[in-house]
Amino acid sequence: AQSVTQLGSHVSVSEGALVLLRCNYSSSVPPYLFWYVQYPNQGLQLLLKYTSAATLVKGINGFEAEFKKSETSFHLTKPSAHMSDAAEYFCAVSFRGGFKTIFGAGTRLFVKA
Amino acid sequence: DAGVTQSPTHLIKTRGQQVTLRCSPKSGHDTVSWYQQALGQGPQFIFQYYEEEERQRGNFPDRFSGHQFPNYSSELNVNALWLGDSALYLCASSPQGGYGETQYFGPGTRLLVL
Repeated sequence: AQSVTQLGSHVSVSEGALVLLRCNYSSSVPPYLFWYVQYPNQGLQLLLKYTSAATLVKGINGFEAEFKKSETSFHLTKPSAHMSDAAEYFCAVSFRGGFKTIFGAGTRLFVKA
Repeated sequence: DAGVTQSPTHLIKTRGQQVTLRCSPKSGHDTVSWYQQALGQGPQFIFQYYEEEERQRGNFPDRFSGHQFPNYSSELNVNALWLGDSALYLCASSPQGGYGETQYFGPGTRLLVL
């Protein structure tokens, strides 16, 4: 079955520290992979998307993610956290030949001053 | 350019009632998907509409139904509401049939069932 697993429901970092949010997927076909961010009482905003071009994908707000097929991972990173990065982050996957998107359970990022 | 809009923003219903939620896609988008996001969870795919037809459906009962209009806007209907239907309902639109395309999400409708 196709699925997405986000490791860690909560991650806390200090302002200026590295942000690493983990995502693993399972799929029998090549996937499209996404990271979305959700601020309180808002919808989801796309951070970045992988579609089988470059394995290192750069997104908005300084975030990037690397697709590693051998590890079936798509971890999200940012070199230096900012207070405004505090939000819920969702990894998602859709599959060639399908239309639905499967989301992980989310990781809430806390940024300490 | 207006993004995806949803109405209403909040709704309170009682068990057994019916509810209709509305979504207008981003300009130029022809595909609309609906998701249910329970508190503390990721969005769960309900169904997707394209060319006024339901194209794919997630693991939701028939109490959940929808419609897409010629102008690509969409409605989500839920009958016989349960307490467990309380959630944020998100609408997402995408262009060109939606296959592999980025989805743009609306702000959601928060439904509370008492």
